[in-house]
Amino acid sequence: DAGITQSPRYKITETGRQVTLMCHQTWSHSYMFWYRQDLGHGLRLIYYSAAADITDKGEVPDGYVVSRSKTENFPLTLESATRSQTSVYFCASSDYRANTGELFFGEGSRLTVL
Amino acid sequence: AQSVTQPDIHITVSEGASLELRCNYSYGATPYLFWYVQSPGQGLQLLLKYFSGDTLVQGIKGFEAEFKRSQSSFNLRKPSVHWSDAAEYFCAVGAKGAQKLVFGQGTRLTINP
Repeated sequence: DAGITQSPRYKITETGRQVTLMCHQTWSHSYMFWYRQDLGHGLRLIYYSAAADITDKGEVPDGYVVSRSKTENFPLTLESATRSQTSVYFCASSDYRANTGELFFGEGSRLTVL
Repeated sequence: AQSVTQPDIHITVSEGASLELRCNYSYGATPYLFWYVQSPGQGLQLLLKYFSGDTLVQGIKGFEAEFKRSQSSFNLRKPSVHWSDAAEYFCAVGAKGAQKLVFGQGTRLTINP
């Protein structure tokens, strides 16, 4: 039972470069989420998806792009990385059928933008 | 809009001592409430959750939390902490039928030997 896997776990990039963080889940959960974790802010929602081809903005979507062509994958792209996007990024999923709102998290991707 | 406040950024307790982590939420209807724990370098793991019914909920690792509607609080407690409890703890609130959660800023717990 692999659950949610994120890749890469660690990434260093430069300002202006494009970066894609991958997220893959094996549970067939309908909902998937991207959060960023920053000191003093806790976790903030970037984007989420209710199903394949359905995505919506969260609290801090600027500078990010998502897609969901398949239920199991939810990549997050920084089209032109900025230093303020240095953060730890968490992917999560939830099972709409369970209707509990419980999120299942990946181990995170630590991104450093120089 | 939903919001969560965890007033304590960092708490230090001695091993074997009792623990209470505070969480206050803002939400108009009956909330779904969660506590997650994050060990260093790891993702978040669910400790416990409250949807309805008994306001005292039991979770994993010996943790419990009490929902107090009058105080808009959902404080996490443990009678005797272990060194392995050192971690970051997040309170979160959600709404019935919605899948998004709003998280607090987190409380970092340090355990003194």
